[in-house]
Amino acid sequence: TQLLEQSPQFLSIQEGENLTVYCNSSSVFSSLQWYRQEPGEGPVLLVTVVTGGEVKKLKRLTFQFGDARKDSSLHITAAQPGDTGLYLCAGTDSNYQLIWGAGTKLIIKP
Amino acid sequence: DAGVIQSPRHEVTEMGQEVTLRCKPISGHDYLFWYRQTMMRGLELLIYFNNNVPIDDSGMPEDRFSAKMPNASFSTLKIQPSEPRDSAVYFCASSLDSDYGYTFGSGTRLTVV
Repeated sequence: TQLLEQSPQFLSIQEGENLTVYCNSSSVFSSLQWYRQEPGEGPVLLVTVVTGGEVKKLKRLTFQFGDARKDSSLHITAAQPGDTGLYLCAGTDSNYQLIWGAGTKLIIKP
Repeated sequence: DAGVIQSPRHEVTEMGQEVTLRCKPISGHDYLFWYRQTMMRGLELLIYFNNNVPIDDSGMPEDRFSAKMPNASFSTLKIQPSEPRDSAVYFCASSLDSDYGYTFGSGTRLTVV
């Protein structure tokens, strides 16, 4: 069974701090996606990474795909209360199935 | 485009009743997915369709669950009879293909009492 493990499961920090969320697996993925989900809504796609070592930036968010395409990280610089939400990673496996992590619940306190 | 549209947003029903959840995917998206989300189990894929054809329903919990996609713009997920353990948020999502990412609807929060 392929698994995507996210860490930490829960993170509560002050506004202005930096943070990193990790998504790890023993399996190789052809692509990996990051989503943010706010209460009462569905997940919203933030980014897709497809190349090993790829780095993508979305304003204060930096996404990196591991060289071996087995892991990924999301770094947020100067976190703001609007960044609060559940962050989910999902990888496309060799059978074109999307494997989901359990999510990191992030709270940014003003 | 209005995105993926799900109805109803909330549903409260009594155990044993039939429940039908509805979804309108984004026009042009060939893939449609039904997910269930709970605190304990996270996001679980129930079934997905490609060009209106069910491809993988291995995630459907049991025979009480059924899904249809009669045309490219409409899908239903039916639970009959419903049970309290079916209480969850049910999401519909559509996609051009998995590498493009999914667009999710706002979900249906189902409570079975």
